[in-house]
Amino acid sequence: DAMVIQNPRYQVTQFGKPVTLSCSQTLNHNVMYWYQQKSSQAPKLLFHYYDKDFNNEADTPDNFQSRRPNTSFCFLDIRSPGLGDAAMYLCATSRDKGGIQYFGAGTRLSVL
Amino acid sequence: QKEVEQNSGPLSVPEGAIASLNCTYSDRVSQSFFWYRQYSGKSPELIMSIYSNGDKEDGRFTAQLNKASQYVSLLIRDSQPSDSATYLCAVNPARGGSNYKLTFGKGTLLTVNP
Repeated sequence: DAMVIQNPRYQVTQFGKPVTLSCSQTLNHNVMYWYQQKSSQAPKLLFHYYDKDFNNEADTPDNFQSRRPNTSFCFLDIRSPGLGDAAMYLCATSRDKGGIQYFGAGTRLSVL
Repeated sequence: QKEVEQNSGPLSVPEGAIASLNCTYSDRVSQSFFWYRQYSGKSPELIMSIYSNGDKEDGRFTAQLNKASQYVSLLIRDSQPSDSATYLCAVNPARGGSNYKLTFGKGTLLTVNP
């Protein structure tokens, strides 16, 4: 029944070792978002896609990249994770611009 | 800098009481307002959306919006221990326009005591 699916739920990586987080959706929504959330903080938008149009936030580090090969899937690549990148990563979708956002369960990333 | 402000809490209420959660926002042109519930270690879950001034009720939840005062609130009636969570207020400046990203508050931690 899950509509926004994130894999894996937990990811442990080593300092500097590239990691990819996955998000898929069955809602056929046009917009997909990636957020980073650290403990007791608000979700921080990293980037989003409106269809194939990629929109990067000005303060998103270059270390973070994203791919959306088709409507259903979106990936977050962290090229060289640092200790400060340990966080919950949330994927969300919305039908269109400004619409309600539906979140996946999140991936908790640990960096050793 | 668009801001959404919430009291971080914790807000502690007894079971059965009304919990009142408040949120103010700085961008006067904001059009869409959302309340998300987030349990510890989990992802945000939509509770309510509201777009027009006034009240919107859904079960035990009532969202209240006052655009003139730039204020949105969430009331939870007959609070249950299962309502204990962080409540995130989120504001969207436009509906369908070019600027449509959500701005989240830091959330208010609600604890309902049995």
